[in-house]
This record gives sequence, structure tokens and C-alpha cells, in this order.
Amino acid sequence: AQKVTQAQTEISVVEKEDVTLDCVYETRDTTYYLFWYKQPPSGELVFLIRRNSFDEQNEISGRYSWNFQKSTSSFNFTITASQVVDSAVYFCALDDNQFYFGTGTSLTVIP
Amino acid sequence: NAGVTQTPKFQVLKTGQSMTLQCAQDMNHNSMYWYRQDPGMGLRLIYYSASEGTTDKGEVPNGYNVSRLNKREFSLRLESAAPSQTSVYFCASSETAYNEQFFGPGTRLTVL
Repeated sequence: AQKVTQAQTEISVVEKEDVTLDCVYETRDTTYYLFWYKQPPSGELVFLIRRNSFDEQNEISGRYSWNFQKSTSSFNFTITASQVVDSAVYFCALDDNQFYFGTGTSLTVIP
Repeated sequence: NAGVTQTPKFQVLKTGQSMTLQCAQDMNHNSMYWYRQDPGMGLRLIYYSASEGTTDKGEVPNGYNVSRLNKREFSLRLESAAPSQTSVYFCASSETAYNEQFFGPGTRLTVL
């Protein structure tokens, strides 16, 4: 069974639209960490955020925000006022003593 | 400060050949990781080393071996390459387990 599910394989939005990338995870541990990474077309992986299982506060960083809900095992990522430079594959990941990536959501922002 | 470096960047092997992928980090991190990335599969953990002197299997360890040579270096060896091992391989490091990982640029491996 997938430990991290990113059901949206591909999303296209027009520039300046808001977009939410979904992430659902599965773990039996009470202590775990969740991450989001970005992989632009150049191929490198860039860390965006880390959240531990005891901190359900939502976080905002510029145009990026994250919504962590333990009740639904979800850690969703919203980009506000999307820009062409946001076009990339975004990965959600879980660390519960092993490290699991989701299969990624490919976001295309159309100018 | 180079971060995480990987060599080579590209490699083509024939079935049955062996090779070692090299990874080094200069951030004094304790933990290091090897992943493979295949289309539609995301990244899958092959092996990791939580600290110098330890290595553990990840999700897809079959066909691979690793060596944590010292704190800086973590190599991945394919003893007898198979076409199913055609992939992009990423090395990563983190200060400790549970911290964010920093990734190398990747090695694109093709096995014919």
C-alpha cells in the first residue's frame, strides 16, 4: 500500500490562479515528519517545508501555504497567485523511520 | 560549499556489468541516502545510512550494495546491472534522520 498518496498526477492552471496540491499519508507511528519538495524541469530536488506530527499549525511562506490535518492524514500545499516559475513536479514525503515519497504532482502554470 | 556531489552524471552499461556511483557531502551531515527515480513512481529509497558505520535497506534494495566509506562519502554499487535498473539515481544527506534532505544533481544510468 502507498504510504504517501498524491492523487493528482498532473495539474494545469493559468497564471495568477490559486492551486492546491493534495497529499495523503499513512503511518502507525505517533512521531513522524512530513515534507514537500519541488523538482523543476532542471531536475534538482529542492526542499520546501518540514512539519512534525505534533505541530498542526498551518504555515505560510510568501505565496506558499501548507495545511496539515492529522484527522484526515493530509498535508496539502497551496500556491497562491501561481507564476510560470512554479511549474515543476512537487513531491510530498513522509519520514516515520523510513523515508517515503509520493509519486508527485506535475504542475504546469500557463502564462 | 558544494553541498552534495555525485559522479558520474551519466552512465551507460551493458547487462551484467558492474559499477559504483559515488556520492559526497561537505555539510558534515550524519545521514545519507540513495534513491532511484522512475517515471510515475516518484523517488524510492534504496539504502540509507543513519550515521557513519551503519547502513540499512530501504524500499527497493535488491540488486544494490552500499558502503559508507566515512562521514562524507556514501557509494552505491551495482554488481550485475540489469535493464530494470535503468533510472535516475539521487544521493541525499541530512543533518540527522527526520531532518530535511539535501539532494545531489543525480546520475542518469541506462542499462542496455
